[in-house]
Amino acid sequence: DQQVKQNSPSLSVQEGRISILNCDYTNSMFDYFLWYKKYPAEGPTFLISISSIKDKNEDGRFTVFLNKSAKHLSLHIVPSQPGDSAVYFCAGGGADGLTFGKGTHLIIQP
Amino acid sequence: GAGVSQTPSNKVTEKGKYVELRCDPISGHTALYWYRQSLGQGPEFLIYFQGTGAADDSGLPNDRFFAVRPEGSVSTLKIQRTERGDSAVYLCASSLSAGGTGELFFGEGSRLTVL
Repeated sequence: DQQVKQNSPSLSVQEGRISILNCDYTNSMFDYFLWYKKYPAEGPTFLISISSIKDKNEDGRFTVFLNKSAKHLSLHIVPSQPGDSAVYFCAGGGADGLTFGKGTHLIIQP
Repeated sequence: GAGVSQTPSNKVTEKGKYVELRCDPISGHTALYWYRQSLGQGPEFLIYFQGTGAADDSGLPNDRFFAVRPEGSVSTLKIQRTERGDSAVYLCASSLSAGGTGELFFGEGSRLTVL
């Protein structure tokens, strides 16, 4: 049973446009949600998080939106840059750590 | 070092052999996690330690997998009688404490290939 789902394996976006990555979850007990970014041959690196009591968190070009009634969150990157090309993992967190989705490979095209 | 360090970065072994993977967390981080990432999948939880004790080992797939953290710092993941299906990247992460706002700091992983 996948508790965190990222239904788009890949997403291609033109440089300068907005990238929107989506994530759905089934576990209502998550206390917070995080997005991680991963380059090939590197470990995942933390990008941005949101508490389950918030509906939006913004950090520079990155904004995460949480819709608890729909059990859905999204990551917006604007404007998209070539260095944003990576695999993005959504994760739900609680007392015992993080549960990850399968990831979305974001490709920023020049 | 400043970050989470994992060794070896790559390990190739034969089916049936024993393997140890090491993780050196960020200094002062009491919580340490092991994840496994197979091709096309997200990191899958294996076990986490709070200090020296395994607080949750529910993700270990079977009794061939074992992990220790005897002094509350470095951890070793041990895999006995390896199988081809064990091939994956094994990721270690640490955090100041378990829970909280949840940010985990990951190492670069140990890529295990079982032939």
